[in-house]
Amino acid sequence: DVKVTQSSRYLVKRTGEKVFLECVQDMDHENMFWYRQDPGLGLRLIYFSYDVKMKEKGDIPEGYSVSREKKERFSLILESASTNQTSMYLCASSLLVSGELFFGEGSRLTVL
Amino acid sequence: GNSVTQMEGPVTLSEEAFLTINCTYTATGYPSLFWYVQYPGEGLQLLLKATKADDKGSNKGFEATYRKETTSFHLEKGSVQVSDSAVYFCALSGAAGNKLTFGGGTRVLVKP
Repeated sequence: DVKVTQSSRYLVKRTGEKVFLECVQDMDHENMFWYRQDPGLGLRLIYFSYDVKMKEKGDIPEGYSVSREKKERFSLILESASTNQTSMYLCASSLLVSGELFFGEGSRLTVL
Repeated sequence: GNSVTQMEGPVTLSEEAFLTINCTYTATGYPSLFWYVQYPGEGLQLLLKATKADDKGSNKGFEATYRKETTSFHLEKGSVQVSDSAVYFCALSGAAGNKLTFGGGTRVLVKP
């Protein structure tokens, strides 16, 4: 089975802190994605990557950056966390040409 | 751009009732359509999909038919169980075939 692992299930940070969310997948998928999930808004795409060292902005990239140094790992970075970034963050991966995403369990971030 | 609209919840049902969750979409070209399910405390997982008009996706007693003429992909199940309590997301893939756009999600609660 495909496994997508997110490093932290729950995080609490303070405004202005730098936050790293890590995601690792074990199925050699080319694509990796970061979404945030908010009630009533569904999932919104922050960034995605089709290959190592490659990244593309999604629908809501402001305030975020990403890093993909290895194929299996995709990191989401909040350079200076703000309270409006309190959310559930979901990582996903997929094969290059496939609509099926495999999701991690999510990281719930609270910014105080 | 692409968009997905699904009925707001929560939807509360009794066990063995019939479930319908409406989903309509706006997209250019010929997207693939998906339903994902998120059980409490878990990440999203693919429930079913359809890749072209008139295709019917089915899994675990759920069905949805890709209706191009009405741009819809409604999810149905004839007899729900308590274990079907979850949040259901409708989604479509864009021209690239692997970047998904999600609806807002519909929470379903099935009572014994």
